[in-house]
Amino acid sequence: GQQVMQIPQYQHVQEGEDFTTYCNSSTTLSNIQWYKQRPGGHPVFLIQLVKSGEVKKQKRLTFQFGEAKKNSSLHITATQTTDVGTYFCAGPTAGANNLFFGTGTRLTVIP
Amino acid sequence: KAGVTQTPRYLIKTRGQQVTLSCSPISGHRSVSWYQQTPGQGLQFLFEYFSETQRNKGNFPGRFSGRQFSNSRSEMNVSTLELGDSALYLCASSPATGFADTQYFGPGTRLTVL
Repeated sequence: GQQVMQIPQYQHVQEGEDFTTYCNSSTTLSNIQWYKQRPGGHPVFLIQLVKSGEVKKQKRLTFQFGEAKKNSSLHITATQTTDVGTYFCAGPTAGANNLFFGTGTRLTVIP
Repeated sequence: KAGVTQTPRYLIKTRGQQVTLSCSPISGHRSVSWYQQTPGQGLQFLFEYFSETQRNKGNFPGRFSGRQFSNSRSEMNVSTLELGDSALYLCASSPATGFADTQYFGPGTRLTVL
């Protein structure tokens, strides 16, 4: 069945270091969405990418959607303690009626 | 605008019972989706309702059902509860159907099955 894996599962960084999480789908996705969930909170939408090879930036965050629309990445430059949380990718397969979430990457930022 | 609200926030039930959870979407949003989040399985899509019709469905047994009312409020029902149904149940609303739009999540209902 459809699987969306994220690596790494956990990441500890010193404040100011960069962080990257990778999202890999077993099948082509029609779009990729990224969410952030703070400890004890609920997922909050960050961004959506639709086009093959698309790159979008939000301040210190850079999102990429792979050429084959099967993988994506989120890169945070110069992490801050406010970046702590679990980052999820999610996407529907083309024509599918199901939204598949990645396994998530839990980021810890050490001050 | 007020965000997505879910009631109750916490619930404790015993095996074999049934439970109904409620979700009120953001005003003007007609799509409501439900998700189950557990440490073992992560975030899994249950189903989506749009204009009172179930539009999309995940891979959950028939014990999980839902409905949507004319004011877009939605309820989710789980019958014959099992221990494995203990989870955080999240609903999300969106202006449109089909996962092409932003999903706005509510705070969730924490269900514990004893």
